[in-house]
Amino acid sequence: EVQLVESGGGLVQPGGSLRLSCAASGFTFSGYWMNWVRQAPGKGLEWVANIQRDGSAKYYVDSVKGRFTISRDNAKNSLFLQMNSLRPEDTAVYYCVAPTYWGQGTLVTVSS
Amino acid sequence: QAVVTQEPSLTVSPGGTVTLTCGSSTGAVTSGHYPFWFQQKPGQAPRTLIYDTTNKHSWTPARFSGSLLGGKAALTLSGAQPEDEAEYYCLLSYSGPRVFGGGTKLTVL
Repeated sequence: EVQLVESGGGLVQPGGSLRLSCAASGFTFSGYWMNWVRQAPGKGLEWVANIQRDGSAKYYVDSVKGRFTISRDNAKNSLFLQMNSLRPEDTAVYYCVAPTYWGQGTLVTVSS
Repeated sequence: QAVVTQEPSLTVSPGGTVTLTCGSSTGAVTSGHYPFWFQQKPGQAPRTLIYDTTNKHSWTPARFSGSLLGGKAALTLSGAQPEDEAEYYCLLSYSGPRVFGGGTKLTVL
């Protein structure tokens, strides 16, 4: 059974940092591009970033470029999202997404 | 970055057929955009219905199908059920970056 379990969300002040993690199991993690997707309260889905199978290529939505960094550890079947210089508009549920599987999400709230 | 457009809302009668579409600001949607379709119900995480234009997941009901139609990606629901009432999102690939459409709220009424 495929499982994606996100962790690391929480309340952070504007300008602060958080590191999200996603533990993957039930599939060959190293064989797939991985994605982070977010959903602000009451809003639609927004693709945030993705990373190539071996980590050699990474892409970001314009609004997070220079602030967020996606990474992966294939030996530990784990995906990460380092989020710096957080803004209130980054408040959202963040989902870890294998090409066709979704985690349950972790809530990030940026507020003073 | 590109803008992906979907109908904001659609209504279908129980047992009826409806087609949701997904367009791109960069031009015609092709198989090279690897269109995905996701379903999300209130309070739940999204789930994948269709990937790579036409492929169904193991849990995708047979009444859903994906295609390319008139320069757009399309999701057709044939024989709508009350449980199909949900928000539907498409996702397109742009040679690395991905972009979601704004979503279509489908009402079965």
